[in-house]
Amino acid sequence: DQQVKQNSPSLSVQEGRISILNCDYTNSMFDYFLWYKKYPAEGPTFLISISSIKDKNEDGRFTVFLNKSAKHLSLHIVPSQPGDSAVYFCAASAAEYGNKLVFGAGTILRVKS
Amino acid sequence: GAGVSQTPSNKVTEKGKYVELRCDPISGHTALYWYRQSLGQGPEFLIYFQGTGAADDSGLPNDRFFAVRPEGSVSTLKIQRTERGDSAVYLCASSSRGRQFFGPGTRLTVL
Repeated sequence: DQQVKQNSPSLSVQEGRISILNCDYTNSMFDYFLWYKKYPAEGPTFLISISSIKDKNEDGRFTVFLNKSAKHLSLHIVPSQPGDSAVYFCAASAAEYGNKLVFGAGTILRVKS
Repeated sequence: GAGVSQTPSNKVTEKGKYVELRCDPISGHTALYWYRQSLGQGPEFLIYFQGTGAADDSGLPNDRFFAVRPEGSVSTLKIQRTERGDSAVYLCASSSRGRQFFGPGTRLTVL
């Protein structure tokens, strides 16, 4: 029973273009959503988050959109850079679950120069 | 400041042996989480500490797994009678104001 799903195992984008990574969830109790970036042999690094009371959060080149009715969120990276190449994990949490994170399986992003 | 550290970075053991994995959280962080990441999957929650007590251990797969945090800082994840299926990267995270900071993980290989 996967509560958080990232249906695209990989994505390849040209440098300078937009990268869009998608994530779907099933548990309506989730109230906080995060994106983590992971390089090989390192732990996940926090990238950006959004509370369920918002529908958009922007931080530099990174924007996260939340569609609660569709239980869908997406991460936009624009412009994409080769250094963005990594595995991106979508995660969700709920305050009443102690804020433990439920992760998707990840999407490998390759930005080609 | 220093981030979350985990030791050892790699651990190879034989089936049936006992292993201990250590996590040093960021100083002052009261919440500490353990996750397990198998190949091709995202991290999966194991256990969560608030201070010294395990607030939620619902993710521990069975009674071979146990974790402690006796002084509310360093935590140790203990696995008894290891099985090949326990092979994974074990991640620790500590938290302040809801944001979790992850360590580099311990890669456990059970032969």
